[in-house]
Amino acid sequence: AQSVTQLGSHVSVSEGALVLLRCNYSSSVPPYLFWYVQYPNQGLQLLLKYTSAATLVKGINGFEAEFKKSETSFHLTKPSAHMSDAAEYFCAVSLITGANSKLTFGKGITLSVRP
Amino acid sequence: DADVTQTPRNRITKTGKRIMLECSQTKGHDRMYWYRQDPGLGLRLIYYSFDVKDINKGEISDGYSVSRQAQAKFSLSLESAIPNQTALYFCATSDRLTSGEQYFGPGTRLTVT
Repeated sequence: AQSVTQLGSHVSVSEGALVLLRCNYSSSVPPYLFWYVQYPNQGLQLLLKYTSAATLVKGINGFEAEFKKSETSFHLTKPSAHMSDAAEYFCAVSLITGANSKLTFGKGITLSVRP
Repeated sequence: DADVTQTPRNRITKTGKRIMLECSQTKGHDRMYWYRQDPGLGLRLIYYSFDVKDINKGEISDGYSVSRQAQAKFSLSLESAIPNQTALYFCATSDRLTSGEQYFGPGTRLTVT
């Protein structure tokens, strides 16, 4: 079975600082990995995805994530935080099988951005 | 117009009442899902459907039922609502031909008093 661990529930950074949100996964087969963002009072929006092509994946709003198989990690980064990045972020994993497209989500991390 | 819509957006109901949450999509996807979100617990899968004739239980299906009326419509029912079903409910869709990414509706905030 696959699982996702997002350590900590809250990260606070200053505007302009590096954003690093950690995600580690467990999967018995090569996974697909996703990051979603949830702004207040909205649904989840796909930020980026890893599907076994390039290990460094670029997403929307300046975010990127790097797949590291040896560390079973898929951490999300952004070089310079903006106030509008304040939201909740979810990492998710899916097995690479045609018949199964269920996602398993982490518990989420709330990002706060200080002026 | 939104690709995945949910009605109602907010609902307050009393313990013991039956309630239905509805989801419609215009993305043409064959797969649909219902999740609930609780603070600190992330998203948990209630039910999912890979096509109109395929319904599957997720990890927390007790107390819930679903109906897939058409490819574009997937409704979630609480037969007899209880206070611990107070949560934010999301519908999502995906296409079997993609890598599994799901597209979410705006959510329904349900309060059971």
